[in-house]
Amino acid sequence: IVLTQSPATLSLSPGERATLSCRASQSLSNYLGWYQQKPGQAPRLLIYAASNRATGIPARFSGSGSGTDFTLTITSLEPEDSAVYYCQHRGTFGQGTKLEIK
Amino acid sequence: EVQVVESGGGLVQPGGSLRLSCAVSGFTLNSYYMSWARQAPGKGLEWVANINEDGSVKWYGDSVKGRFTISRDNAENSMALQMNSLRAEDTAVYYCAREVGPRGQNVFDIWGQGTMVTVSS
Repeated sequence: IVLTQSPATLSLSPGERATLSCRASQSLSNYLGWYQQKPGQAPRLLIYAASNRATGIPARFSGSGSGTDFTLTITSLEPEDSAVYYCQHRGTFGQGTKLEIK
Repeated sequence: EVQVVESGGGLVQPGGSLRLSCAVSGFTLNSYYMSWARQAPGKGLEWVANINEDGSVKWYGDSVKGRFTISRDNAENSMALQMNSLRAEDTAVYYCAREVGPRGQNVFDIWGQGTMVTVSS
């Protein structure tokens, strides 16, 4: 299975809405996770089973999709949301989307 | 506090060996699959290997199969990754991670801060 994320880089302003895409080479049902990784830090689980927020994750973060197309949406962007975001299915990660908050 | 802490990284020559350790606390290790993942400098995440709750089932990524061995000691609350025949392309930060969820739906909910492995002459 190959996971393809788009866009590679996203530059937005505080308060805006970010939409990150992850497309799978075959159907995953809803078996997809999303992670946030800030520079010098370990990844942090945001979303599991495509749409369920992990413990302690703010409601600004939401996941959707099933089959081959998935989306991570972040509303009301804050400067601290600057990070690389990865999707994951079993032992496969997408290549990441870098989100910059300018 | 639930946490995992990696150790054992360092500089090693090509063809050499290194053993990484992961110490866990705050949860019952024998209830979880555990994984190693890595991240080469400036690159994305790559899953390396995982091991089931009692250590009887192990899976490896294609890039490390036959060279790396994952193991665990539930009584000691620890996991290890023995890395042999190391190559320059194995240079990365290595993360220990806890897996949760049904098989096929697993995600990694607890990550350590990582330990750096550099393979260079």
